Amino acid sequence: SQKIEQNSEALNIQEGKTATLTCNYTNYSPAYLQWYRQDPGRGPVFLLLIRENEKEKRKERLKVTFDTTLKQSLFHITASQPADSATYLCALKDSSYKLIFGSGTRLLVRP
Amino acid sequence: DSGVTQTPKHLITATGQRVTLRCSPRSGDLSVYWYQQSLDQGLQFLIQYYNGEERAKGNILERFSAQQFPDLHSELNLSSLELGDSALYFCASSVLTSGGTDTQYFGPGTRLTVL
Repeated sequence: SQKIEQNSEALNIQEGKTATLTCNYTNYSPAYLQWYRQDPGRGPVFLLLIRENEKEKRKERLKVTFDTTLKQSLFHITASQPADSATYLCALKDSSYKLIFGSGTRLLVRP
Repeated sequence: DSGVTQTPKHLITATGQRVTLRCSPRSGDLSVYWYQQSLDQGLQFLIQYYNGEERAKGNILERFSAQQFPDLHSELNLSSLELGDSALYFCASSVLTSGGTDTQYFGPGTRLTVL
């Protein structure tokens, strides 16, 4: 069956370090993958999109990689700040137009 | 502010009742999506409309229905409510780009509490 997996355990890191979050998927062949940020009680906010033919995408302190062989995307936040604390969701579009979200990984950045 | 509006912000009702949630997409976006997020759960896709037509369906219960009107706003109707329907309901809108991607812009959500 089709699955998107993100680490359900919270990631707890020190301010200034790089946070790395993982998204693995099975039985999908997505043309692109997206990352969103969600704060408690609020709607997700789009961060980055990476296509299947792109290995890496950057935006300010954010970097996303996409390995279609491993069926994995990594999401990095460099020089992390307490304000980066949130839940980060990966999402990909399946063949029937649905955008399927992973369950998200909570990031906590300690000052 | 994403440009997507949802009303009401909060809704408290009793089991067995029926409610309607409303969503106005961003100007120019033709697609509207509805999601349910229960406490500490992931986003569950319910249904998508594109320019008034149903495009994709997720695990939407038969007690739930939705529609998109000619002005592109959408309503999600939840009937015969049960305690387990208590959740945050999000609406999102998107426009398909020439590159074939669509990024979703989420509204602030409606928090439904069924007592």
